[in-house]
Amino acid sequence: NAGVTQTPKFRILKIGQSMTLQCAQDMNHNYMYWYRQDPGMGLKLIYYSVGAGITDKGEVPNGYNVSRSTTEDFPLRLELAAPSQTSVYFCASSYRLADTDTQYFGPGTRLTVL
Amino acid sequence: GENVEQHPSTLSVQEGDSAVIKCTYSDSASNYFPWYKQELGKGPQLIIDIRSNVGEKKDQRIAVTLNKTAKHFSLHITETQPEDSAVYFCAAGDNGQNFVFGPGTRLSVLP
Repeated sequence: NAGVTQTPKFRILKIGQSMTLQCAQDMNHNYMYWYRQDPGMGLKLIYYSVGAGITDKGEVPNGYNVSRSTTEDFPLRLELAAPSQTSVYFCASSYRLADTDTQYFGPGTRLTVL
Repeated sequence: GENVEQHPSTLSVQEGDSAVIKCTYSDSASNYFPWYKQELGKGPQLIIDIRSNVGEKKDQRIAVTLNKTAKHFSLHITETQPEDSAVYFCAAGDNGQNFVFGPGTRLSVLP
């Protein structure tokens, strides 16, 4: 199993540009999550999904959108990138909901918005 | 919502000594408390977790204790080794949206 994979690993965007961060898991997990990690801070939940076709907002959803058309994939879309979105983004998945089960994290995407 | 505090933010210990990291949480409904280890350039990885019906759990050199009355839980690492150097995160929650991570502790084990 590859586990949770994320692409790209690094990206530099200009203010106002858009991009999609890709996330895929091959563990047949129902639950998937997107977090951002700012320097010296913990992880903040952006969006999560409890299954294909179902998504919900986390703590910091503004400026982001997600979709979940398949069990495996959970892309994160940034529209009109802003410097405040400079961060490291982690995707995670779990068999049960986060509060009851291990989350498996991807290696992260480091995004810089200039 | 849930709020998780974590102390200390940085911790340096000599190889072979013990390390203790403490977390407090605010929501009494939280019932799952995992600890994650994050090595440089990698995503967090679960090292141990505890649920609210258990007071202590141990896995080799790592242990976690939970005090639900005081709303705090701690990570204990004994006989520390250089490979234990990393950032450690605690977390608490009772549902997917209310699951919150602490700010992290950077542990350095000095040879």
